[in-house]
Amino acid sequence: QKEVEQDPGPLSVPEGAIVSLNCTYSNSAFQYFMWYRQYSRKGPELLMYTYSSGNKEDGRFTAQVDKSSKYISLFIRDSQPSDSATYLCAMSAYSGAGSYQLTFGKGTKLSVIP
Amino acid sequence: SAVISQKPSRDICQRGTSLTIQCQVDSQVTMMFWYRQQPGQSLTLIATANQGSEATYESGFVIDKFPISRPNLTFSTLTVSNMSPEDSSIYLCSVDDTGYAGYTFGSGTRLTVV
Repeated sequence: QKEVEQDPGPLSVPEGAIVSLNCTYSNSAFQYFMWYRQYSRKGPELLMYTYSSGNKEDGRFTAQVDKSSKYISLFIRDSQPSDSATYLCAMSAYSGAGSYQLTFGKGTKLSVIP
Repeated sequence: SAVISQKPSRDICQRGTSLTIQCQVDSQVTMMFWYRQQPGQSLTLIATANQGSEATYESGFVIDKFPISRPNLTFSTLTVSNMSPEDSSIYLCSVDDTGYAGYTFGSGTRLTVV
């Protein structure tokens, strides 16, 4: 079992739809949970991070973490064509000497159709 | 967050040759990270580059194949040596300017080996 599982999609939705992106993980040592957005031919861009279980909202984006189920989600409300990108979940665990080890999911490719 | 300039953005190389990728950060950082992103795969850490010491390589990556330089706190290079078509991938440099591994990434180098 891989440490982080993410459905690669692709996922295609109409403009204005609510999008739900999900990842599961197996390592209980993960402490920070992140979502990156990667546009075509660009590097990943940190979108949101959470530390504890619960929800965190930023505009149209909501990140949700359920540590008991080892499950994280990213919700996008009122999706726009500009949200079309690959979304990668990532998680970090303390690896000692003040540094964290980062583990990525494979990414979900999202297309929002006008 | 830090701004990273990475070049070249893309290249097509002959097998058996080498390519050096440059990464420039607009602020001083202790560690820089080099990743490989292959289609359908998670971002994979190649090595961590500390200024003034040898880079630390992850399992499956060796210094002879991926030599790294880190001459100062704002610059690093990754060389892909003796290339084969299997080295065709996107290579990304990144820094952690958050303290919890919320990395900032360069825009990537898209390498095709023919």
